[in-house]
Amino acid sequence: DVKVTQSSRYLVKRTGEKVFLECVQDMDHENMFWYRQDPGLGLRLIYFSYDVKMKEKGDIPEGYSVSREKKERFSLILESASTNQTSMYLCASSLSKNYGYTFGSGTRLTVV
Amino acid sequence: QKEVEQNSGPLSVPEGAIASLNCTYSDRGSQSFFWYRQYSGKSPELIMFIYSNGDKEDGRFTAQLNKASQYVSLLIRDSQPSDSATYLCAAYMDTGRRALTFGSGTRLQVQP
Repeated sequence: DVKVTQSSRYLVKRTGEKVFLECVQDMDHENMFWYRQDPGLGLRLIYFSYDVKMKEKGDIPEGYSVSREKKERFSLILESASTNQTSMYLCASSLSKNYGYTFGSGTRLTVV
Repeated sequence: QKEVEQNSGPLSVPEGAIASLNCTYSDRGSQSFFWYRQYSGKSPELIMFIYSNGDKEDGRFTAQLNKASQYVSLLIRDSQPSDSATYLCAAYMDTGRRALTFGSGTRLQVQP
C-alpha cells in the first residue's frame, strides 16, 4: 500500500510563526498535493507539484509556499501563521495526474 | 457557482437499504471522477473511480456517470452502519489546473 506520511497529527503555533508541514510518500509518485479542509468549504487546493523542484499554485496559495527538493518529500510552509490558517491540512500523492489520490492522515493546525 | 456540487445532507437510510449519493459538476471538460469516503476525524480514502459514461460496479458500490447531464452518482447497496461517513465527489480536468476538484461532501447516516 502507498503510504503518505505527515509528520505531525496535531500542531499548535503562535501568530506570526513560520510553520513547516512535512509530507513524505514511499511509492515513487510524481505528483503531490496540499489541500486544506474546513467545515462547509470542503477540500481546497493550496499547491501541487508534478515533479521535483516544480510547483504550481492551487486555488488558495496566499500565505503559503512549498518546497520539493526530493521526489518523495513535499513540504508546505506557512510564512507567517495567522489565525485564519487554523485548519486540517491534507497531503496527497498520485501515480498520474488523473489517478486517484492517496491522502496522508492529516495535520490539524491551530494558530493562536 | 461551485465546480463540484453535492448536497451536504445528512442523508439518512435504514440498514440494508440502498443509499444514493449525487454529485453535479460544472465543467464539461471534466474527464475523470472519484468517490472518496471520509470517516469523522480521518482522511479521505478512495473507494471508486469512473471515466466513461455508464455504470461501474465494485462489490456493494456502483458509480454512475452521465457526461451529457454532468452528473455522477454513487449507489451503496445493503447499507451498513459502518458506511456512515462523509462521501466526497471529485472531478479531474486535463486543462486548467490539472488537479482534483472536490465537492464539499454528503454526510451519510445508516440507521441500525
